[in-house]
Amino acid sequence: DTAVSQTPKYLVTQMGNDKSIKCEQNLGHDTMYWYKQDSKKFLKIMFSYNNKELIINETVPNRFSPKSPDKAHLNLHINSLELGDSAVYFCASSHTAGQGYGYTFGSGTRLTVV
Amino acid sequence: AQKITQTQPGMFVQEKEAVTLDCTYDTSDPSYGLFWYKQPSSGEMIFLIYQGSYDQQNATEGRYSLNFQKARKSANLVISASQLGDSAMYFCAMREGGLNDYKLSFGAGTTVTVRA
Repeated sequence: DTAVSQTPKYLVTQMGNDKSIKCEQNLGHDTMYWYKQDSKKFLKIMFSYNNKELIINETVPNRFSPKSPDKAHLNLHINSLELGDSAVYFCASSHTAGQGYGYTFGSGTRLTVV
Repeated sequence: AQKITQTQPGMFVQEKEAVTLDCTYDTSDPSYGLFWYKQPSSGEMIFLIYQGSYDQQNATEGRYSLNFQKARKSANLVISASQLGDSAMYFCAMREGGLNDYKLSFGAGTTVTVRA
């Protein structure tokens, strides 16, 4: 059983399109995240959700809209895709009770905008 | 300001030798956690080791150990007896308290290449 699963694994789309990435975790964690890894491999937080509530929105353009229907799911919808959105997007989850809890990451979604 | 600094973009190590990956961090929070993750060429993020700011002893997990020097704000990863499968990118990360509890801040990563 995959702990954090995200779909699709690969996404190739044209500029201007709208696309969604789905994420589900079966670890019983109460916090979920979206991270973006750019072409230089730098990982940057985009959003954090705790028990379906948005906690962190790290200056991400409004074209990106996360949705958490329940604490096991966190989806990412991207409108009007741009070339600069090409990256690997990672979903992750964790407990919030103390810093001793690390993150479990999904396998990533490689988004290519052409 | 950068919270996590990894100054070694790339390193080569001979198989069976040990390698140390540097990581320094910046925080004023007395309670924080430090993590190392491995990202092989397949792309997944693999948790390796954790060190809490109040832990008295350095963390160890198999061939991985964390050299934690709190006063110097460094948390170097030591991989002993390197194997070809250790070739990957390695990220140091920190989780702090308060609102920062809801995110991991990552360093830029170090690419390790193990030579046979």
